[in-house]
Amino acid sequence: DVKVTQSSRYLVKRTGEKVFLECVQDMDHENMFWYRQDPGLGLRLIYFSYDVKMKEKGDIPEGYSVSREKKERFSLILESASTNQTSMYLCASSLLVGGRGSYEQYFGPGTRLTVT
Amino acid sequence: AQKVTQAQTEISVVEKEDVTLDCVYETRDTTYYLFWYKQPPSGELVFLIRRNSFDEQNEISGRYSWNFQKSTSSFNFTITASQVVDSAVYFCALSDENTGNQFYFGTGTSLTVIP
Repeated sequence: DVKVTQSSRYLVKRTGEKVFLECVQDMDHENMFWYRQDPGLGLRLIYFSYDVKMKEKGDIPEGYSVSREKKERFSLILESASTNQTSMYLCASSLLVGGRGSYEQYFGPGTRLTVT
Repeated sequence: AQKVTQAQTEISVVEKEDVTLDCVYETRDTTYYLFWYKQPPSGELVFLIRRNSFDEQNEISGRYSWNFQKSTSSFNFTITASQVVDSAVYFCALSDENTGNQFYFGTGTSLTVIP
């Protein structure tokens, strides 16, 4: 079974704090993704990574950065948390497809972040 | 541009009724992939099905069935004889040759099955 774990289910931080969200997958997937989920907006991609130390911006990267030092671990960093970053954050992983094609993504349980 | 539309925001049905969740997609590519996910109240998205654009055969898995119609750019999901455990938010997603490993998700349909 694919397993994607996230470091916290619930997190409360203050405005201006630096926040780290950690994600670990155990299926040797090349791709890892960070999404945020907000009511009425669905899932929006923040960043993704297809290899160690590689990253690509998604649709809403502003205010976020990422780090991928090991294949199994992908971290999302909020450099200076703001109240509009209060959201559910979901991590996912998938196999990398060379050329055409796409494999399903497997998701972690999510981290509900509240910034006060 | 890629886009996925799930026009039904919320649906309520009584247990044992059949229910269809609509998904309409947009893409310029001839090769693309469509997915359905279930998000129960616990929060974790669960993969249900993957379909590529060259395979228009409908699929049935137990009480779940999927109707893929390229002519109408739709990939609808039907639950037969719904159960309370089917209550969840359901997401449709698209990836294509341009986006590759990146998905575009619809905004989701919240299904409530009333006992």
